[in-house]
Amino acid sequence: DIVMTQSPDSLAVSLGERATINCKSSQSVLYSSNNRNYLAWYQQKPGQPPKLLLYWASTRESGVPDRFSGSGSGTDFTLTISSLQADDVAVYYCQQYYTTLWTFGQGTKVEIK
Amino acid sequence: QVQLVESGGGLVKPGGSLRLSCAASGFTLSDYYMSWVRQAPGKGLEWISYIRSSGDDIFYADSVKGRFTISRDSAKNSLYLQMNSLRGEDTAVYYCARTMLRAPGTIDYWGQGTLVTVSS
Repeated sequence: DIVMTQSPDSLAVSLGERATINCKSSQSVLYSSNNRNYLAWYQQKPGQPPKLLLYWASTRESGVPDRFSGSGSGTDFTLTISSLQADDVAVYYCQQYYTTLWTFGQGTKVEIK
Repeated sequence: QVQLVESGGGLVKPGGSLRLSCAASGFTLSDYYMSWVRQAPGKGLEWISYIRSSGDDIFYADSVKGRFTISRDSAKNSLYLQMNSLRGEDTAVYYCARTMLRAPGTIDYWGQGTLVTVSS
């Protein structure tokens, strides 16, 4: 199975500042035939199911604010919140769907400093 | 409007069985890959199973393989998870989830979840 490792486990960022979350996969999730990275990012607030933010590593889901962006390729990926808002306090997960056995990262908790 | 509503959770003894149901509305369930994802109390997300739109391809995480069975009923537009030989570590909120057609494997809709507690 592909192991997804996020860093840090938690971070505290001031309102309006940038938040950066990293996700590393134990093997590449880049499919060479279509040049797509099979990686998604989700946001989960307390007591709620997760919400899809990005797929194909950098494609924003409809309705997701443009302060959320994704980058990276192969095994190393980043989720960036360009200007943290109070509503962004949540746990963020990456997920690979490159193999038939999907796996999530352990999650990164984002708080306000 | 897409909706997924899980039911069937509850308290069960170790070694027992439980069947979860997920009623889908607003779309045709058999057109999509459908999945179950769980979350133990205070822990992260764990994908456990999915069934492809063909219905012929089914996959399980190693942690539940041989004990859990995913299935669907097209006539009822519903997804199921039969859970046998339950263990304490199966205690979690179980989410029914739909994946995107344009990115199979990416979950675009989640239910609210149903809590399964395995305890004597």
